[in-house]
Amino acid sequence: AQTVTQSQPEMSVQEAETVTLSCTYDTSESNYYLFWYKQPPSRQMILVIRQEAYKQQNATENRFSVNFQKAAKSFSLKISDSQLGDTAMYFCAFKGGSNYKLTFGKGTLLTVNP
Amino acid sequence: KAGVTQTPRYLIKTRGQQVTLSCSPISGHRSVSWYQQTPGQGLQFLFEYFSETQRNKGNFPGRFSGRQFSNSRSEMNVSTLELGDSALYLCASTLLDRGNHEQYFGPGTRLTVT
Repeated sequence: AQTVTQSQPEMSVQEAETVTLSCTYDTSESNYYLFWYKQPPSRQMILVIRQEAYKQQNATENRFSVNFQKAAKSFSLKISDSQLGDTAMYFCAFKGGSNYKLTFGKGTLLTVNP
Repeated sequence: KAGVTQTPRYLIKTRGQQVTLSCSPISGHRSVSWYQQTPGQGLQFLFEYFSETQRNKGNFPGRFSGRQFSNSRSEMNVSTLELGDSALYLCASTLLDRGNHEQYFGPGTRLTVT
């Protein structure tokens, strides 16, 4: 069974600074997908970024980028130029290539301070 | 395009009752997944439907069931409610075309069992 571990329950960062959220996973599959989701307080969960395991190039979406280390089974999220609106719970999620479910980490609560 | 919609948004039920939650996926999305979110257990997969067939089921008792209709809309039912069923129930839809595995979440239904 796959497991996803987020070792930082809470983090805080000053506005305009850069922060990195950690995620490690365990799987025996070779084909899989990794995602970061953001859930603002009392608001809807939204997809931040995705990474296919077969792609060596790290995914980037505007201020959000990942550091995907396949051999180490590590998938960290870097947020540059943090904004107040980035305050949210961030979930790392794994999806096997032959499976249809997402396995989530416990989440990291990120607070961006003015 | 309209996003994933879930009804009702809030629900209060009494122990022993049953409840039905509804989910309408994004237009064109054929896969619908359900998740339970609680502070203690985090996000847990309930089941996934595609073309009116359940393809995956999580580790939940038989009191939790679901179905999908020909228009891809999905419902989940919980019978004989227990206090521990109080949670945010999230529905997610996936296009599943051209390798698109991203799941898009609805706002959730907040179920409180008293």
